Amino acid sequence: NAGVTQTPKFQVLKTGQSMTLQCAQDMNHNSMYWYRQDPGMGLRLIYYSASEGTTDKGEVPNGYNVSRLNKREFSLRLESAAPSQTSVYFCASSEPVEGEKLFFGSGTQLSVL
Amino acid sequence: AQRVTQPEKLLSVFKGAPVELKCNYSYSGSPELFWYVQYSRQRLQLLLRHISRESIKGFTADLNKGETSFHLKKPFAQEEDSAMYYCALSGRGSGAGSYQLTFGKGTKLSVIP
Repeated sequence: NAGVTQTPKFQVLKTGQSMTLQCAQDMNHNSMYWYRQDPGMGLRLIYYSASEGTTDKGEVPNGYNVSRLNKREFSLRLESAAPSQTSVYFCASSEPVEGEKLFFGSGTQLSVL
Repeated sequence: AQRVTQPEKLLSVFKGAPVELKCNYSYSGSPELFWYVQYSRQRLQLLLRHISRESIKGFTADLNKGETSFHLKKPFAQEEDSAMYYCALSGRGSGAGSYQLTFGKGTKLSVIP
């Protein structure tokens, strides 16, 4: 049972380049999330999707776009990467029930030079 | 707005000593609180949640609504407890039927042999 799968695991970009981080879950969860993890800042929510066809901004959405392609997949796109977007990105999924736990992917380490 | 505060970035204890990782929260409704843990080179995973009133790996956490705290405790620290610990609060998101998990900035626990 794979759970939440993220690709790629590592990526190096030059300033201004674009890329898409992919995330897929096989637990039939309705809600999916993208977080970034920075030293001293903890995890901050970028975007989330409560259900297929809906997306909402989180705490730090600027510079990112998302697509909920179907129930399984939720991608995060950087249109014009900036050094401030150097971070570790985590995708997560859950059922949209209060108190329900999140299942996390293994993360994508992104460096923008 | 919901907020989670973990006042300690780093906590070092000797093996066998008691551990207490502090967490305070701010939330207008009835909180659902969690502790997540990230061991070295592993993905984030749920450690425990207050609604379950469980003890996992010897850790417990009690919700104190009067002090708005959810401190994580363990009577005798083990070397394998060394990890990054995040306190998190589940609350309603801006989208209909959605829930967001807000994380604290994390505390790195180092258990000294």
